[in-house]
Amino acid sequence: DAGVIQSPRHEVTEMGQEVTLRCKPISGHDYLFWYRQTMMRGLELLIYFNNNVPIDDSGMPEDRFSAKMPNASFSTLKIQPSEPRDSAVYFCASRRLAGLYNEQFFGPGTRLTVL
Amino acid sequence: GENVEQHPSTLSVQEGDSAVIKCTYSDSASNYFPWYKQELGKRPQLIIDIRSNVGEKKDQRIAVTLNKTAKHFSLHITETQPEDSAVYFCAAHILSGNQFYFGTGTSLTVIP
Repeated sequence: DAGVIQSPRHEVTEMGQEVTLRCKPISGHDYLFWYRQTMMRGLELLIYFNNNVPIDDSGMPEDRFSAKMPNASFSTLKIQPSEPRDSAVYFCASRRLAGLYNEQFFGPGTRLTVL
Repeated sequence: GENVEQHPSTLSVQEGDSAVIKCTYSDSASNYFPWYKQELGKRPQLIIDIRSNVGEKKDQRIAVTLNKTAKHFSLHITETQPEDSAVYFCAAHILSGNQFYFGTGTSLTVIP
């Protein structure tokens, strides 16, 4: 298995532009998580899905952020309009539910810079 | 929800010495405690985990201990090497929940 795949790996954009981050979870995994990592706030959970359904989006900072999971193999995190304070590394992670003690696998992350 | 606190935030040790990172959690229903290592510019990766029915687990130079009564768990790295330098995250998982609650991370530097 290729693991969790994220694209793009790096994104540089200007303030006000729309940004779309993409994630392909590991095949067979029931849960998909989006995290944001910054030096100041550490690793923050933004939203997670179970079987393509959003379960908890309480970590989404503002209405500018939205996430979708149209099918079991693809999810997007969109920021519109982007702001400099959105600059961070965004990680996608997936996990299989069967069994209680299953590892959560992280993708390589997308480093977002908003100028 | 669960609250996980992690200490220290930074730790420097001489090569060959031991390093200990401590975490506390608030919800007694937490039953699974993984530790992740994140090297600079890389993704977090699982290095060891412990279940609530076990008090200690060891894997070569790495060990994790769990005290359910006190609600704390610790990561122990012995004979540290420069390649152990990274950020380490602890996490807790509640049986009835679906997410991991992560600590704030410890930046470990092993000085050659």
